[in-house]
Amino acid sequence: GAVVSQHPSRVICKSGTSVKIECRSLDFQATTMFWYRQFPKQSLMLMATSNEGSKATYEQGVEKDKFLINHASLTLSTLTVTSAHPEDSSFYICSAQMGNSPLHFGNGTRLTVT
Amino acid sequence: GESVGLHLPTLSVQEGDNSIINCAYSNSASDYFIWYKQESGKGPQFIIDIRSNMDKRQGQRVTVLLNKTVKHLSLQIAATQPGDSAVYFCAEKKQAGTALIFGKGTTLSVSS
Repeated sequence: GAVVSQHPSRVICKSGTSVKIECRSLDFQATTMFWYRQFPKQSLMLMATSNEGSKATYEQGVEKDKFLINHASLTLSTLTVTSAHPEDSSFYICSAQMGNSPLHFGNGTRLTVT
Repeated sequence: GESVGLHLPTLSVQEGDNSIINCAYSNSASDYFIWYKQESGKGPQFIIDIRSNMDKRQGQRVTVLLNKTVKHLSLQIAATQPGDSAVYFCAEKKQAGTALIFGKGTTLSVSS
């Protein structure tokens, strides 16, 4: 089945630094990738939609200059949290889709900003 | 805004019982619905999906029912097992290429 790999699974960084999270579709070409954020005991909240070769579309309230998304190829999208602060600590999850197939999710990245 | 929500935040059942998890959605334009299972510290795992032109779909031990009249979606798990313990989310989407919108989740606890 389709596999989405997310790296790293956990990261701890100091306030003010930047962190990059990678999302790869391992056995299919993802025309669209989505980035979600999940706070403890809450649902997944969509942050942005990323199509290969074009700028990401961000959801209302998500700062595009803080959460930089790059989708340079059909198998890789990256999310960079810039100048991270403790309130950015969360579980970040990517998902990938080919055409109209079901979304497949990565196993998430637990970001802790100290 | 429009969203997909779940009726109960928690559900506790005994091993072997049948479980029913419910979800109400508000966007009548949604045409595709999915149930996901999420275990602690992991990403959502696809369980079963259904399109709006159907009202029932069965998988292995799971059944999804869709009632478009009242905008209701349910997941039935037969012979629930301890390994089914997790948080279950329903999600909807309106059209191809758009993101899934998730409901609030129901935590299923199965005791043996």
